[in-house]
Parts: sequence; structure tokens; C-alpha cells
Amino acid sequence: SQQGEEDPQALSIQEGENATMNCSYKTSINNLQWYRQNSGRGLVHLILIRSNEREKHSGRLRVTLDTSKKSSSLLITASRAADTASYFCATADRGIYNQGGKLIFGQGTELSVKP
Amino acid sequence: EAQVTQNPRYLITVTGKKLTVTCSQNMNHEYMSWYRQDPGLGLRQIYYSMNVEVTDKGDVPEGYKVSRKEKRNFPLILESPSPNQTSLYFCASSNSRTTYEQYFGPGTRLTVT
Repeated sequence: SQQGEEDPQALSIQEGENATMNCSYKTSINNLQWYRQNSGRGLVHLILIRSNEREKHSGRLRVTLDTSKKSSSLLITASRAADTASYFCATADRGIYNQGGKLIFGQGTELSVKP
Repeated sequence: EAQVTQNPRYLITVTGKKLTVTCSQNMNHEYMSWYRQDPGLGLRQIYYSMNVEVTDKGDVPEGYKVSRKEKRNFPLILESPSPNQTSLYFCASSNSRTTYEQYFGPGTRLTVT
């Protein structure tokens, strides 16, 4: 079942601007992860935030997590044309130890960064 | 180089002709999964494996089989493919018992006519 709802579905910005994508989920989670997918290719892990963390940074990426609202956001600062891709959030339920590492993916946000 | 490989990358076949998509990882990961990705439906898990000889159904297992005889390999078998199995398939593996960060293969685009 899909539990991640991402917003917006598509986002178009100019190079140098910041891009913000949001993700909402329904269950109690162990962690939340963000992945990137270039057109038709495999997903690449970007960043993970645990349920007891509120904010995490990695280079130009900043992720926040609000477990009370069951939501997360991914901020890409100073975007580049090469950031053009689809971005997915994925949640790992608290019962993940018995689920073979199952992640539940959102539908993704398509980001287009124009030069 | 740490990676997950899948073969073939592209496959066009006909209804009912058995096929196997191979998946192999060189990271000694315990956990492996198969997903399918369809427009508007996102990624859905087909089967997963927690270790050798341990497999279980994901969200959309109908029409698929898997096996895990070796830790590195996790083939996906379609015994009698049908057009509704036309999709983009991804194999993934993960190791950590605390984070489950997943490493994805490059994908196999399957068309069943």
C-alpha cells in the first residue's frame, strides 16, 4: 500500500532557486528516506532521517521531519540543471525488522530545473 | 564497485512465455527486494527476501516467483507473463538492520505483448 503522499507532483524552477518538496505519511515510522531517480533509471539514496531526529543536512540537501504531523520536507538549495529528476520519499515502518527491510514509497515529485 | 546488477535491461516478450530477470549484488547484503514501477502507481514491492532461502510476498506478488539460493542472487521469475506485467522492474538490496537504506539496480523495462 502506498502511504507517502508527495506535494507538489511537479515543480519547475530556475537554476539557483531553492526547491522544496513535501511528503506526508500515515503510520508510525522507524525512519524516512529520500531517493532521487533520473528518468527511467534506478533510484539513488539521498538522505535518511530517523524518527527521533527533526532536521538533517547533507551538502545542499536539508530534510526536516515532523512526526506529530507525519510529514517531511526536502529542501534543495541553489538548484542546478543537473538536479532535474524525480524525488521520492520512502518510509520504514516501526515493524520493519520483520518485513525484510520493506520501504513504502510515495508517488514522487518531478523537479525540473531550467538553466 | 558496490552495485546491484540486473539483466536483461530491456525485454520484449509474448504472453505466456516464461522469463527470468536476474539480480545480483556484491555488497553481501542480507535483504533483497523486487519492485515494479508504473505511472501513477509509484513503486510497489513484489517480493522480498530476508536471507538465503527466506522469501515473502510484498504488495503485488501475483504472477511472480522468486528464489534465494545464494546470498548475492535474487532472480524474479514470470512463469506465464501477461500484458499487465508490462512495467519497469527494480531489484534492491540493503544491509543495515537499523536504517534499511536501499541500493537499487538500473532497472529492467519489460514489455509483454
